Amino acid sequence: DAKTTQPPSMDCAEGRAANLPCNHSTISGNEYVYWYRQIHSQGPQYIIHGLKNNETNEMASLIITEDRKSSTLILPHATLRDTAVYYCIVRVMGGNEKLTFGTGTRLTIIP
Amino acid sequence: EAGVAQSPRYKIIEKRQSVAFWCNPISGHATLYWYQQILGQGPKLLIQFQNNGVVDDSQLPKDRFSAERLKGVDSTLKIQPAKLEDSAVYLCASSFQQNTEAFFGQGTRLTVV
Repeated sequence: DAKTTQPPSMDCAEGRAANLPCNHSTISGNEYVYWYRQIHSQGPQYIIHGLKNNETNEMASLIITEDRKSSTLILPHATLRDTAVYYCIVRVMGGNEKLTFGTGTRLTIIP
Repeated sequence: EAGVAQSPRYKIIEKRQSVAFWCNPISGHATLYWYQQILGQGPKLLIQFQNNGVVDDSQLPKDRFSAERLKGVDSTLKIQPAKLEDSAVYLCASSFQQNTEAFFGQGTRLTVV
């Protein structure tokens, strides 16, 4: 079972920042937060992951609350190509734990 | 760098027939995953290999599904006999080690009629 809760859908205007929330209230101290996205008819694509500090890469920023019970993925300047389903996953780094997907958030970028 | 290759992209079969999917992971990746994605749902892990050994196959319906990775590189997933509810996209993914970033192929869309 997925350990995260995400809104089923969101809209965002093109060029604006898209902020995707994720709740993971039962996260353990050794579990990381991962984000993947799946564009229509493609396989999922890794975006970013973090433990407790905020992270940024060329695709997105990840903001994790101090208590680690929730996080937000930020796409700073959304484009039409960012329309996809976004999955938030919590997972231990190391060991044999599965990469388990929930139902994700369907993000639609509006022109 | 070449990505994860899967074939075929599409397959239509009748129920009770058998089907096989092939996956070639990224070179050097020891971990290989097979996922099933039913329309409208997130991907569900069927089986995970570490080199040629099975790490997790707890959600693989073993009465009809089988998978192998004999030389620790390519992998095949087989369904025999297929049921209508097996209609889904079958995704293969690989990672350098367990729990590092996973790279996915484009998947095989199976339709059972």
